[in-house]
Amino acid sequence: DAKTTQPNSMESNEEEPVHLPCNHSTISGTDYIHWYRQLPSQGPEYVIHGLTSNVNNRMASLAIAEDRKSSTLILHRATLRDAAVYYCILRDLSNQAGTALIFGKGTTLSVSS
Amino acid sequence: NAGVTQTPKFRVLKTGQSMTLLCAQDMNHEYMYWYRQDPGMGLRLIHYSVGEGTTAKGEVPDGYNVSRLKKQNFLLGLESAAPSQTSVYFCASSTGQQNNQPQHFGDGTRLSIL
Repeated sequence: DAKTTQPNSMESNEEEPVHLPCNHSTISGTDYIHWYRQLPSQGPEYVIHGLTSNVNNRMASLAIAEDRKSSTLILHRATLRDAAVYYCILRDLSNQAGTALIFGKGTTLSVSS
Repeated sequence: NAGVTQTPKFRVLKTGQSMTLLCAQDMNHEYMYWYRQDPGMGLRLIHYSVGEGTTAKGEVPDGYNVSRLKKQNFLLGLESAAPSQTSVYFCASSTGQQNNQPQHFGDGTRLSIL
């Protein structure tokens, strides 16, 4: 799976939107972009994933650049519960299923009230 | 929904002792995984299973054994615990249709080896 680059940390205020960037300049055509987050003392939690088009679900939105070399996870209204480490992970659809998720250091999001 | 449940949540062992960590999922998933997470590091895959009765090695399998006798359960065993195995262990599961499918994680087992 190709590598991703994320800022080490970001800060936000409660009820404000948060844009978490991810660069993946070596992405291949069969790579899906996945986002997970890990709250303190919990296991990682799936957030969203996409291939080319922007995606929305109840947790967040994923905006994918036209050249797919970068993406942005959007939390529309941050809450204190959104304070976590956010991981951007590429998953090659052509790989055999059962391969590990490759977690980098991610972005630590702090949310202030 | 319970999702993925790990037992126990905490455990302290002495060097050389053995134990088994249990992972249970109620989502009828084919694939199950065991990861370990050490301070300041990402998760590393220990073993995984693509279905009942099958297991395979991941990135860091040494010192661990696994079994998948029932589809819903995936057991991780430490035959002779070592201090280097002090870690947080996470179990995950996913459907087996595509490598693209999300993995669902448990809340972890915090294991200390003295």
